[in-house]
Amino acid sequence: EVELLESGGGLVQPGGSLRLSCAASGFNFNSHAMSWVRQTPGKGLEWVSAIGSSGGSTYYADSVKGRFTISRDNSNNTVYLRMNSLRAEDTAVYYCAKEPRPWWNNPDHWGHGTLVTVSS
Amino acid sequence: QSALTQPASVSGSPGQSITISCTGTSSDVGGYSYVSWYQQYPGKAPKLIISDVSYRPSGVSDRFSGSKSGNTASLTISGLQTEDEADYHCCSYTSSGTLVFGTGTKVTVL
Repeated sequence: EVELLESGGGLVQPGGSLRLSCAASGFNFNSHAMSWVRQTPGKGLEWVSAIGSSGGSTYYADSVKGRFTISRDNSNNTVYLRMNSLRAEDTAVYYCAKEPRPWWNNPDHWGHGTLVTVSS
Repeated sequence: QSALTQPASVSGSPGQSITISCTGTSSDVGGYSYVSWYQQYPGKAPKLIISDVSYRPSGVSDRFSGSKSGNTASLTISGLQTEDEADYHCCSYTSSGTLVFGTGTKVTVL
């Protein structure tokens, strides 16, 4: 059974940094791309970033480009999202999602999410 | 990248069929067969119910079906049940190499 467990969320001041982690199990991690998707309370989903199965390809939404960095450790089945220069509008639940292929297109399994709150 | 357009809400009576639209452009929905649909209950993570426009993953009820015409994808729920009351989100791959989600639709079973 696919399991994705996010951690690292919390309260941070504007301009601060956080690193989210997502521990994966139940599938061949190094054969699948991974994505991060966020959701503001009561609002829709927003795709944030994705990384290919080998880690050699990464993409970002314009809203986070230059501030967020996605990475992965295939030896430890973990994907990360480093978030710098955080803004109030980054406040959201952040979901880690598994992709069905080595590249991203249709996330097929999601974690339960971790809440990031950016506030002074 | 602008969000794909979905109706804010759709409602129907038990047993009826409803359809949720997801409108994008030729750079996303219209250009690729990578359109997916997710069901989300309050406080829960989204669950994939349709991928690649019309593929239904194992374990998903056959009352859910997906299609696409031009720049608009659609999710149809047949034989509406009370358990179908949830939020539904579409998602598409884009020509920029990114993903874009829809604005979300709340389904109410009357």
